[in-house]
Amino acid sequence: QSLLTQPPSVSGAPGQRVTISCTGSSSNFGAGYDVHWYQHLPGAAPRVLISGNNNRPSGVPDRFSGSKSGTSASLAISGLQAEDEADYYCQSYDSSLSGSGVVFGGGTKLTVL
Amino acid sequence: QVQLQESGPGLVKPWETLSLTCSVSGGSISSYFWSWIRQPPGKGLEWIGYTSYTGSTTYNPSLKSRIAISVDRSKNQFSLKVTSVTAADTALYYCASFGGYNSPFDNWGQGTLVTVSS
Repeated sequence: QSLLTQPPSVSGAPGQRVTISCTGSSSNFGAGYDVHWYQHLPGAAPRVLISGNNNRPSGVPDRFSGSKSGTSASLAISGLQAEDEADYYCQSYDSSLSGSGVVFGGGTKLTVL
Repeated sequence: QVQLQESGPGLVKPWETLSLTCSVSGGSISSYFWSWIRQPPGKGLEWIGYTSYTGSTTYNPSLKSRIAISVDRSKNQFSLKVTSVTAADTALYYCASFGGYNSPFDNWGQGTLVTVSS
């Protein structure tokens, strides 16, 4: 069971806006660690979409945006396109009694209808 | 732009040791942090561990007893060893780089599939 919880799947029609949630806890988001989001297309390496909660790396369309508040974070995709169909992962750092390290959400499969 | 390339056997027998190497080009390994991440078939990404260029390591607590990550600065490479593997270790293994505990993995290798089977 991942320390970051994502919905297994979301879907939307072309042109619509979808959001993907990522729920953490006091040992990761609540401790002030940033959230990063990745897009993972079949056969390709994951690609950073959002870093540091809400920053888009060069080359990422402004249709993608991120936010974080308290122990939750979300990725929003507006103007949905067929090419956005992929798996999306949130990632952060976690520090608890059992140890510290990187954590990924379980991943969310986005289907463009 | 740093480029990463994984290499190693694609098939490992149960209870043997899985060994992979990540070659770094286009930049020096003497900066940044270097990590291994895997994805079992049909499942999500799992962080395995990372090393700094000095060799200081941090491992996933759930894998810590079977994992070793090392860095070879002379070859601009870092490596992963997983001991006593089982079918549950079958996965696509990625190497990646990042700037530190609060940074994203901004460079990834293409991944290498490792199957554990007799």
